[in-house]
Amino acid sequence: AQTVTQSQPEMSVQEAETVTLSCTYDTSESDYYLFWYKQPPSRQMILVIRQEAYKQQNATENRFSVNFQKAAKSFSLKISDSQLGDAAMYFCAYWFIQGAQKLVFGQGTRLTINP
Amino acid sequence: ETGVTQTPRHLVMGMTNKKSLKCEQHLGHNAMYWYKQSAKKPLELMFVYNFKEQTENNSVPSRFSPECPNSSHLFLHLHTLQPEDSALYLCASATYSGSNEQFFGPGTRLTVL
Repeated sequence: AQTVTQSQPEMSVQEAETVTLSCTYDTSESDYYLFWYKQPPSRQMILVIRQEAYKQQNATENRFSVNFQKAAKSFSLKISDSQLGDAAMYFCAYWFIQGAQKLVFGQGTRLTINP
Repeated sequence: ETGVTQTPRHLVMGMTNKKSLKCEQHLGHNAMYWYKQSAKKPLELMFVYNFKEQTENNSVPSRFSPECPNSSHLFLHLHTLQPEDSALYLCASATYSGSNEQFFGPGTRLTVL
């Protein structure tokens, strides 16, 4: 069974600094998607960034980028120029294209931004 | 707010009550999901519906009963719940193909007394 592990329950960073959130996953498949979702306090979960496993190029969305290491099964999220609005729970998730239509989530990392 | 809405946003119920959670999506998606989010635990997938058909029941107790009358609406009927069922219940929707990007609702905060 596929599993997703986020080893950092909590992280903090100074405003305007850069922070990296870690995620590892376990799968025997070669074709899948990986996601980072953000859940701000008392607000809806939204998609931050998506990576397709067959693409070698790391995905980037403005201040958010990933370091996708397929062989190591690692998928970290880098947030540059951290802003107060980045404070949230961040969830890493895996989706296997040919399998059941469901996401497998990690435990989440709570990110605090210090002003 | 995204195109997925959930009502009510907060619900307090006794163990003998019967209540229902409602989810509605306005995104033209054909897959809908119920998740349970408890403190310090990963999101737990409960049910998956594709084209109104249930395709996944993740060993959920029968006191939770889903209903999907059409592709836009999803219900979760609750009866004789336990205090450990207190959690945030999230609904999501997606297109049943491609990257399965899921769009989440705001959730219903359920407290079982």
